Amino acid sequence: GAVVSQHPSWVICKSGTSVKIECRSLDFQATTMFWYRQFPKQSLMLMATSNEGSKATYEQGVEKDKFLINHASLTLSTLTVTSAHPEDSSFYICSAKLAGGLLTLSEQYFGPGTRLTVT
Amino acid sequence: AQSVSQHNHHVILSEAASLELGCNYSYGGTVNLFWYVQYPGQHLQLLLKYFSGDPLVKGIKGFEAEFIKSKFSFNLRKPSVQWSDTAEYFCAASSGAGSYQLTFGKGTKLSVIP
Repeated sequence: GAVVSQHPSWVICKSGTSVKIECRSLDFQATTMFWYRQFPKQSLMLMATSNEGSKATYEQGVEKDKFLINHASLTLSTLTVTSAHPEDSSFYICSAKLAGGLLTLSEQYFGPGTRLTVT
Repeated sequence: AQSVSQHNHHVILSEAASLELGCNYSYGGTVNLFWYVQYPGQHLQLLLKYFSGDPLVKGIKGFEAEFIKSKFSFNLRKPSVQWSDTAEYFCAASSGAGSYQLTFGKGTKLSVIP
């Protein structure tokens, strides 16, 4: 099956530093990847849609200058949290859309998530 | 605005009990519906999905869901739960063919007692 990995699985950083999270589709090509944020006991909130070779589309309320997304290849998207603050502490999850026919048009495969703690 | 509601925050069942988790959506037009499961310490996995056709959808691990358009519902069911079904269950929706942005419900935590 389609596998998505994230690295690192957890990271602790100091306030004011930047952190990069990688999302890789291991055995398929993903023209589109998504970045979600999950607060404790809450649902996944879509932050942005990342398309290979073009600028990411951010959801309302998400600061594009703070959460930099790069989708440089068909198997890799990165999320960089710039000048991180304690309120950015959260669980960040990526997903990748399997490029294919109509039946798989809306199917996404999720990574295991990255726990970010900003001290 | 598009939204997905899951009414049960935490459900506790004994093994062999029947399960039904509620999911309601608020979407205009065509909707695609999904149930995902997140086992402790693991990533989200797709249980089942509905795009069109038979409103009763069968998924993995004995789960099924029924799309009732008149009620804007897509409830998840399993006739007999096992301890290994303990997990968090998320209902999600996207609108129409070609749209793949998912809106998730808040999730329902299922605890199955042996």
